[in-house]
Amino acid sequence: SQQGEEDPQALSIQEGENATMNCSYKTSINNLQWYRQNSGRGLVHLILIRSNEREKHSGRLRVTLDTSKKSSSLLITASRAADTASYFCATDGNTGKLIFGQGTTLQVKP
Amino acid sequence: NAGVTQTPKFQVLKTGQSMTLQCAQDMNHEYMSWYRQDPGMGLRLIHYSVGAGITDQGEVPNGYNVSRSTTEDFPLRLLSAAPSQTSVYFCASLTGDTIYFGEGSWLTVV
Repeated sequence: SQQGEEDPQALSIQEGENATMNCSYKTSINNLQWYRQNSGRGLVHLILIRSNEREKHSGRLRVTLDTSKKSSSLLITASRAADTASYFCATDGNTGKLIFGQGTTLQVKP
Repeated sequence: NAGVTQTPKFQVLKTGQSMTLQCAQDMNHEYMSWYRQDPGMGLRLIHYSVGAGITDQGEVPNGYNVSRSTTEDFPLRLLSAAPSQTSVYFCASLTGDTIYFGEGSWLTVV
């Protein structure tokens, strides 16, 4: 069963707008990670947030984590057409047993 | 430094055939994993290894075998291919909290 569930499943926005996608998970975690996958390619690590952190930034990315609600959000600010991809959250990588959600497909229209 | 290398990139098999997907990493990572990704889905863990000589099952291990005779290599064997194993397969290696993915192997079983 999937540990993480992303919402929405698909998102379409105009270039320059912000994109927000959410991830919910079921069990306690050590950390939560966000990955990006371009069509036909492998996954690329974007950002990791630990269970004792509430917010983290990396460039145009902002990730929040609410362990009481077992949820995380990924915000991409000032989106670009090149941000078009699928985004996945994943929980716990300490043993290689990274469990992924089903992903959010983001389309950024130029 | 090539990272994680998977071969082949594309393969068509007939039902009942066996084959091995190769995975190699040159980063001296102890942890390696195999995932499969079905259309519109996140990645599901097949098998993983925490070091040479040690392997364990993930979420969907049936129909697959793995071995880890060296730190560098983690091959995935399909014993008797079935159409349900048509998927994209990703190998990954892990260091600390960061997981590195190969580019994927597209497998079709007819």
